Amino acid sequence: EAQVTQNPRYLITVTGKKLTVTCSQNMNHEYMSWYRQDPGLGLRQIYYSMNVEVTDKGDVPEGYKVSRKEKRNFPLILESPSPNQTSLYFCASSLGTVNQPQHFGDGTRLSIL
Amino acid sequence: RKEVEQDPGPFNVPEGATVAFNCTYSNSASQSFFWYRQDCRKEPKLLMSVYSSGNEDGRFTAQLNRASQYISLLIRDSKLSDSATYLCVVNRTPGKSTFGDGTTLTVKP
Repeated sequence: EAQVTQNPRYLITVTGKKLTVTCSQNMNHEYMSWYRQDPGLGLRQIYYSMNVEVTDKGDVPEGYKVSRKEKRNFPLILESPSPNQTSLYFCASSLGTVNQPQHFGDGTRLSIL
Repeated sequence: RKEVEQDPGPFNVPEGATVAFNCTYSNSASQSFFWYRQDCRKEPKLLMSVYSSGNEDGRFTAQLNRASQYISLLIRDSKLSDSATYLCVVNRTPGKSTFGDGTTLTVKP
């Protein structure tokens, strides 16, 4: 089954404790992206990757890192999480970037205390 | 001004009604456009891509007006199952996607 898989689905942690949210897709998609969704603010793009070893900042990259060492994986790293990073996070992938819709993972609910 | 703006809603309509949502975008170089639906903070799911010529999928019709920089979604014969939040998405440059804040639709019996 074609899918985007995020882990964990839920995480409660404390300020400053490094964490990684993994994202994996099995559709051989070139493009992957991370979003956060907060009430009243919609989905905002954090980082995206057009291909292996190519990553770029989205609209809200501060406090996040990503890597794209393999085509299928695009982990989101919070080196020193803070409470303002409490949010619902979505990973997405698509075949390309022009006229190609994105497929989303189930989301990760992150709470930073 | 936001890059992508949607009707704020909420829209409350009876079953069988026709409802239309609009979404305006500010970057005239935007390349591709989509409508997604999202149920109760679950993952967004593609509803339709939006093409310049307009496109239809059953009860749903999407239109793009590049001159006025807006896209629209028309839902005919609304069903209870159409209740959701509808998100417009604009791909501004390769890789960069901007979502509207969403319009909430509630279809009532």
